[in-house]
Amino acid sequence: DTEVTQTPKHLVMGMTNKKSLKCEQHMGHRAMYWYKQKAKKPPELMFVYSYEKLSINESVPSRFSPECPNSSLLNLHLHALQPEDSALYLCASTPGGGTDTQYFGPGTRLTVL
Amino acid sequence: LAKTTQPISMDSYEGQEVNITCSHNNIATNDYITWYQQFPSQGPRFIIQGYKTKVTNEVASLFIPADRKSSTLSLPRVSLSDTAVYYCLVGDLNSGYSTLTFGKGTMLLVSP
Repeated sequence: DTEVTQTPKHLVMGMTNKKSLKCEQHMGHRAMYWYKQKAKKPPELMFVYSYEKLSINESVPSRFSPECPNSSLLNLHLHALQPEDSALYLCASTPGGGTDTQYFGPGTRLTVL
Repeated sequence: LAKTTQPISMDSYEGQEVNITCSHNNIATNDYITWYQQFPSQGPRFIIQGYKTKVTNEVASLFIPADRKSSTLSLPRVSLSDTAVYYCLVGDLNSGYSTLTFGKGTMLLVSP
């Protein structure tokens, strides 16, 4: 299985809602990533988990809260988002580090009303 | 942190060879060069990776000159389905995950 899955595919939420994005991989990869991508822009790194520990938090607002329950699963909890947070949220994983290439999921298209 | 510069867009026709060049003047000794392809509303997909000289796989070739300050992704005989954004990344995860910075990418449009 060489796939990263993300659910839901689409999500519409109000600014007062709480929702979660889910990412899963069963390739035994030890690092997992969240990216945010706005239309016609490159992906921007948000968080990195390495061996289930948060390694990178790229100055992301606290309304985004990542969680790594185990080595195969990565969640992104959303609360009190703003319309400008509407974007494609991508999850990726790598076996460990070094020259590893990233395997990306299909993304969750988030719309904040 | 190696920064990359790519052309914003390129146009081609089916069956032609396309070469996309990425400039990375301050590439570090341990950095690798990786290219990804992205279709609209999908996650990027790995195409090819290299360190120096030439690398070839079933979909592309990557040419890296001796000074490694640039690299060229070569797509042979493109088809309409190759219309996508192509990103060049330069870095080494052993040096830190902050190397995972995507440049602006090149939008390749292939016409019939």
